[in-house]
Amino acid sequence: DIQMTQSPSSLSASVGDRVTITCRASQSASSYLNWYQQKPGNAPRLLIYTSSTLQSGVPSRFSGSGSGTDFTLTISSLQPEDFATYYCQQSYSTPRTFGQGTKLEIK
Amino acid sequence: EEQLVESGGGLVQPGGSLRLSCAASGFTFTNYWMTWVRQAPGKGLEWVGNIKHDGSEQYYVDSVKGRFTISRDNAKNSLYLQLNSLRAEDTAVYYCARALLRYFDDAFHIWGQGTMVTVSS
Repeated sequence: DIQMTQSPSSLSASVGDRVTITCRASQSASSYLNWYQQKPGNAPRLLIYTSSTLQSGVPSRFSGSGSGTDFTLTISSLQPEDFATYYCQQSYSTPRTFGQGTKLEIK
Repeated sequence: EEQLVESGGGLVQPGGSLRLSCAASGFTFTNYWMTWVRQAPGKGLEWVGNIKHDGSEQYYVDSVKGRFTISRDNAKNSLYLQLNSLRAEDTAVYYCARALLRYFDDAFHIWGQGTMVTVSS
């Protein structure tokens, strides 16, 4: 199984900040890495798929990069609605696996 | 509107069984891989398993193999999760999710609202 490890587990930031979340796979996931946003009480929302492709309707301040074992999610200028928990997930092999999540909080 | 609606959750005793349903609408259900994901209270997301668009293949996380069964009825646009031999650690919100692209088991694009399963005596 591919283990996914996100860092940091939590992060405090201010509106307007640039934020980067890292996801590391225990073995290569090629570019089959997806990012989700989840707000309390809601289902996750797909933000980015295949490492860097922005899902339709997602603001352009979100971007993703990486391949192999190291991936990043960047939010270029935090907005109030971006405070949430973010998960990476690999779709390279079965079982599909998620990172443990990164909780982004307001400073 | 593309939509998934889960039902069937509830309180069940350890060792008991439950069947969850996921009703799909607004898209051609038979074209998509479908997945179950769960989230224990206050915890992260865990992939439970998935089923191919034609129902011919199913895959599961090790912790549920032999206890949970995923099935689908494409004529009824419905996905199911049969949960047997339930344990306290199966307590979670269960989400069904649809793949992004037709015929591919890729990112999870459409999600249901989730249904809560509580395993307790």
